[in-house]
Amino acid sequence: AQSVTQLDSQVPVFEEAPVELRCNYSSSVSVYLFWYVQYPNQGLQLLLKYLSGSTLVESINGFEAEFNKSQTSFHLRKPSVHISDTAEYFCAVSGGSNYKLTFGKGTLLTVNP
Amino acid sequence: DVKVTQSSRYLVKRTGEKVFLECVQDMDHENMFWYRQDPGLGLRLIYFSYDVKMKEKGDIPEGYSVSREKKERFSLILESASTNQTSMYLCASSVGAGQYFGPGTRLTVT
Repeated sequence: AQSVTQLDSQVPVFEEAPVELRCNYSSSVSVYLFWYVQYPNQGLQLLLKYLSGSTLVESINGFEAEFNKSQTSFHLRKPSVHISDTAEYFCAVSGGSNYKLTFGKGTLLTVNP
Repeated sequence: DVKVTQSSRYLVKRTGEKVFLECVQDMDHENMFWYRQDPGLGLRLIYFSYDVKMKEKGDIPEGYSVSREKKERFSLILESASTNQTSMYLCASSVGAGQYFGPGTRLTVT
């Protein structure tokens, strides 16, 4: 069985500040890891994923996440956030052959001017 | 780009009605999923399908059924809607790791 814990339900920050959204997982098998973003009244969009290889993965809009196997973490970071980054962010883990995803409960990132 | 569409963005139904939520994907994906999303609970898997006419229960299947007669279409059925099924319903599809989501259907049962 797999589980995902997002340690913060809400993260308020000011524009241009750095941010880290924390995610820890547990699994008895090798995993794939994902971050999804959900803007208000929209579905989820894939932000970035770790499947194998380099433990640091990046998205096209400046987010990055690092897979840390020893700490079973996959924290999401951005060095300087914009108002438009305000959204809910979900960490997810997948393992096994059917590619089911287990989601965390989400972190609401609010970027204030 | 992968496109996953859902038949309605907003739906209001009465208690006891039979409700159909439709999902269509255009990328020939093998796997399709139905989730419900509730505040503070994140996404919970209701059912998924890994092939036509194949289905498996997710974490919260009670009160729901599904149908997959064609590869591109996956339907969620509420046999007798109840107020505790008021929620956001999200459909997703995948081939391999990573899922692509539709825009969601916000269902209100009164």
